[in-house]
Amino acid sequence: GENVEQHPSTLSVQEGDSAVIKCTYSDSASNYFPWYKQELGKRPQLIIDIRSNVGEKKDQRIAVTLNKTAKHFSLHITETQPEDSAVYFCAASLGSARQLTFGSGTQLTVLP
Amino acid sequence: DGGITQSPKYLFRKEGQNVTLSCEQNLNHDAMYWYRQDPGQGLRLIYYSQIVNDFQKGDIAEGYSVSREKKESFPLTVTSAQKNPTAFYLCASGTLQCESSYNEQFFGPGTRLTVL
Repeated sequence: GENVEQHPSTLSVQEGDSAVIKCTYSDSASNYFPWYKQELGKRPQLIIDIRSNVGEKKDQRIAVTLNKTAKHFSLHITETQPEDSAVYFCAASLGSARQLTFGSGTQLTVLP
Repeated sequence: DGGITQSPKYLFRKEGQNVTLSCEQNLNHDAMYWYRQDPGQGLRLIYYSQIVNDFQKGDIAEGYSVSREKKESFPLTVTSAQKNPTAFYLCASGTLQCESSYNEQFFGPGTRLTVL
C-alpha cells in the first residue's frame, strides 16, 4: 500500500514569513495529492490539491509543488497570518475507490 | 456545511458495549469513508465503500463494522472487540464519476468517542 511521510511535525514562523511543509509518498501510481487544514476540534478542510499531470498550482498565498520523479510534494504558504495557525495534512490518492493515505500532520504556529 | 453530517458529536461508551456512529451525505457521492484520528496523529482509514451493499477494509478495520444499505448512509459500529476505541472519528465522501479521475473528499464534523 501507499505510505506518506510528512515533515516537519511542528513549525513556528513569524507573521509575514513563509512556511513550507514537505511530504513524500511511496507508490508511483498515486495520482492526486490534496492538502487539508484542520483547526482544533474541527473537520479537515481542503485548501489546495494537485493532480499528477501538473507540477505546480497556486491559489493566492498558497501553492503546492509536485516532483513525480522524486515522489515528493510540498505546501508553500506566503505572508503567513495568525489565522493560518492549524494542523496541516498532506495525502496521496491511490486505488479504485481513490482512497487517501494521510501524512502525520504539521502543527503550524504563526507568531504575531 | 458541505452536505455531510455525523451524529452524535460526542459519545460515551462503557467497556464491552457496541456503539454505532451515523454518517449521512446529500452530495450524491458514490464513495464514503471512515477515518480514525488519535491526538497528534494523522487520519487512518478504517473502512470504505464505493457502491451500495459493498465495502472494503482499510488499514485498521479490526474491531469495526460497517454497512451501506443506502447511497446516502454509511454507519460505523465500534464493537467491543476494538481494544482502544477512544478517538475522533471522521466520515468522508467523494465522487467516483468517470469524467473525474480524481477524488476530492469532503469531511463530516466528526464524532468524539470516549470509552469510560
